[in-house]
Amino acid sequence: KAGVTQTPRYLIKTRGQQVTLSCSPISGHRSVSWYQQTPGQGLQFLFEYFSETQRNKGNFPGRFSGRQFSNSRSEMNVSTLELGDSALYLCASSPGPQYTDTQYFGPGTRLTVL
Amino acid sequence: SQKIEQNSEALNIQEGKTATLTCNYTNYSPAYLQWYRQDPGRGPVFLLLIRENEKEKRKERLKVTFDTTLKQSLFHITASQPADSATYLCALPLNAGNMLTFGGGTRLMVKP
Repeated sequence: KAGVTQTPRYLIKTRGQQVTLSCSPISGHRSVSWYQQTPGQGLQFLFEYFSETQRNKGNFPGRFSGRQFSNSRSEMNVSTLELGDSALYLCASSPGPQYTDTQYFGPGTRLTVL
Repeated sequence: SQKIEQNSEALNIQEGKTATLTCNYTNYSPAYLQWYRQDPGRGPVFLLLIRENEKEKRKERLKVTFDTTLKQSLFHITASQPADSATYLCALPLNAGNMLTFGGGTRLMVKP
């Protein structure tokens, strides 16, 4: 089975712009979670989708949003980018809905905000 | 508030020795705990899951313990190899969903 794929792998944006990141989960997986990783804050949970519904949301401002499509692919959007949004954004999929399911992470999208 | 702590300092050990990494948590009563490995520029890779009613779990050279009284998990790599050099993260669920909270990770360096 192909692993979790994320596009694009690298992205450079300027402050105030918006960005959309894409995640394709492992075939058959219905749960997709998004995380932000920075050197200072580590890996932080953004949100989780299961069967097109947001089940959980982390402590991030409303500028961060996401959605999941019927084929389980997911996108996350960040509007009005700030310098502090520079990070590695990771997507993880799991079969769902059990909370003990292993998380399979993608390679991440490295976002740089100038 | 809920907190997960891992030793932020790198752990340097000699090849062949046993590496022991610690994960402490406060204000949690997690049903399980997971350990992941992360290499630079890559996403974390799942290693082991241990449930609250399990004291110990093994997988090849890896061993994880889970002490719910001490609120601590220990992660051991026996007969360590340079290829084991990476950052190791522990993670616990905040609720019934897949909302994992990760520790800051401990970087392990195994020297030949």
